[in-house]
Amino acid sequence: DAGVIQSPRHEVTEMGQEVTLRCKPISGHNSLFWYRQTMMRGLELLIYFNNNVPIDDSGMPEDRFSAKMPNASFSTLKIQPSEPRDSAVYFCASRPLAGGPQETQYFGPGTRLLVL
Amino acid sequence: QKEVEQNSGPLSVPEGAIASLNCTYSDRGSQSFFWYRQYSGKSPELIMSIYSNGDKEDGRFTAQLNKASQYVSLLIRDSQPSDSATYLCAPSGAAGNKLTFGGGTRVLVKP
Repeated sequence: DAGVIQSPRHEVTEMGQEVTLRCKPISGHNSLFWYRQTMMRGLELLIYFNNNVPIDDSGMPEDRFSAKMPNASFSTLKIQPSEPRDSAVYFCASRPLAGGPQETQYFGPGTRLLVL
Repeated sequence: QKEVEQNSGPLSVPEGAIASLNCTYSDRGSQSFFWYRQYSGKSPELIMSIYSNGDKEDGRFTAQLNKASQYVSLLIRDSQPSDSATYLCAPSGAAGNKLTFGGGTRVLVKP
């Protein structure tokens, strides 16, 4: 089975530009998570979806960040406008809901974002 | 106080020795506890999970959980250079779906 797929793997952009990160969860997984990882703040949960519905977006840093999950196999995280402090590695993870709290989250390879 | 506390390390251990990693958490409602390993430049991957008080062994890894003390640990026996990585502790929330990650402990295994 394919794991979580993220694209692009690397993104370099200039301040003020729009950035869109994409994620395809593992087939059959109906819970999807977006994380951001930096040296200073570690691995932080930004938002998660259950059955394509956003459940908790309390980690989204500000209105410049938005996330959507239009169907069970695709999600996007958008930053508009981007700022240098958004530079980080963004991970997408997925898990099945059926197994309850004991189910593991599986991480994608991440998107390394650099905003100049 | 952080929600999940880990010693950042580095924890330096000789090859073949036991590496002991500790984690404390603040949410008493946490139901499940996960240890992830993250190599530099890579994504986190699951090493162990534990749900009940006591010990759980899987190969060279043993997870220990004490909910009363809000403490979870990971032991790596017969440490190998390939175990050199950052280990992330992640309790689930009371609802069970959301993980909160600690800052990680960096482990260096020296040949």
